[in-house]
Amino acid sequence: AQKITQTQPGMFVQEKEAVTLDCTYDTSDPSYGLFWYKQPSSGEMIFLIYQGSYDQQNATEGRYSLNFQKARKSANLVISASQLGDSAMYFCAMTHTSGTYKYIFGTGTRLKVLA
Amino acid sequence: ETGVTQSPTHLIKTRGQQVTLRCSSQSGHNTVSWYQQALGQGPQFIFQYYREEENGRGNFPPRFSGLQFPNYSSELNVNALELDDSALYLCASSLGAGGGYTFGSGTRLTVV
Repeated sequence: AQKITQTQPGMFVQEKEAVTLDCTYDTSDPSYGLFWYKQPSSGEMIFLIYQGSYDQQNATEGRYSLNFQKARKSANLVISASQLGDSAMYFCAMTHTSGTYKYIFGTGTRLKVLA
Repeated sequence: ETGVTQSPTHLIKTRGQQVTLRCSSQSGHNTVSWYQQALGQGPQFIFQYYREEENGRGNFPPRFSGLQFPNYSSELNVNALELDDSALYLCASSLGAGGGYTFGSGTRLTVV
């Protein structure tokens, strides 16, 4: 079964520190994509970073990096130099190239950045 | 370039009623997907429309239906509302079904 697991319901981090949000996935399809989205209280899902299953290098986007460990089926998000504006819900999601292109989301992690 | 716009932002309906939610796609996008996000959960895929045709459906009953119009805007209709239909409904659009989705801010539906 295709599934995303996020085991951290909530996380705290001190401003300017780095934080890692965990994500594991389950799929038997060799071709897939992994995403991280940020959802502030306003509700919209904001794209942060993408990793393809065949990508050799870990993805990076500014302060965001994705620690992709294919053998362990994990795709952890690392946020460096946390800012107060990073406080939000964070969702890990997976897509597949076969069938309907749809996101399978995890249950999310609520991150609170402390001043 | 405008993003994805959803309306209304909030609404309250009574159990058994019908509701229509609307989504205006980002300019140039021809694919729309709808998701239901219950409180404390991740979004769940409802269905997708590509060039006015349904292009895939999640595990939702037939009382959840949709439309996509020639200008690629979309509607989500829910009949015979149930209390469990209370959720944030998100619309996402893209150019082509293969990804690069932009999400709207959602419609928060409360069924009482």
